[in-house]
Amino acid sequence: AQTVTQSQPEMSVQEAETVTLSCTYDTSESDYYLFWYKQPPSRQMILVIRQEAYKQQNATENRFSVNFQKAAKSFSLKISDSQLGDAAMYFCAFSGSARQLTFGSGTQLTVLP
Amino acid sequence: ETGVTQSPTHLIKTRGQQVTLRCSSQSGHNTVSWYQQALGQGPQFIFQYYREEENGRGNFPPRFSGLQFPNYSSELNVNALELDDSALYLCASSLSSAETQYFGPGTRLLVL
Repeated sequence: AQTVTQSQPEMSVQEAETVTLSCTYDTSESDYYLFWYKQPPSRQMILVIRQEAYKQQNATENRFSVNFQKAAKSFSLKISDSQLGDAAMYFCAFSGSARQLTFGSGTQLTVLP
Repeated sequence: ETGVTQSPTHLIKTRGQQVTLRCSSQSGHNTVSWYQQALGQGPQFIFQYYREEENGRGNFPPRFSGLQFPNYSSELNVNALELDDSALYLCASSLSSAETQYFGPGTRLLVL
């Protein structure tokens, strides 16, 4: 069974600064996908970024980028130029051959003005 | 393009009752997955439906059941409700079982 670990229950960042959220996972599969979702107080889970394991290039989406280290089974999210609207719970998730999402326990991000 | 919608938004039930939650998938999506998110935790996979057939199930008892209709909308049914069933229930749809899942706003269920 796959496991996803987020070791930072809470993080804070100053507006306009950069913050990195950590995620590690465990799997015996070689073909899989990794995701970061954000969940604001409105509760809706919103896709932030997706990484295919077979791609060596790290995914980027505007201010959001990942550092994917397949051998280390590490998948961190970097948020640049943080904005107040980035405040949310961030979940790392794994999808393998079973195509179900396995989530970590989340990191609550606070953005300070 | 309409996103994933869920109804109702909130629901209060008593222990032992039955509940049905509904989900309309995003246009063009044929796969629906259901997740349970307890307070302060990450979502847990309940099951997935692909083209009206169950396509995987998590570690949930048989009193959690589902359906997918020809228009790819879906229902989650929970029988004999227990206090621990109180949670946010999330529905996600995708173009196929292998594609990225997009979530609805969730249904908050409270069991008293």
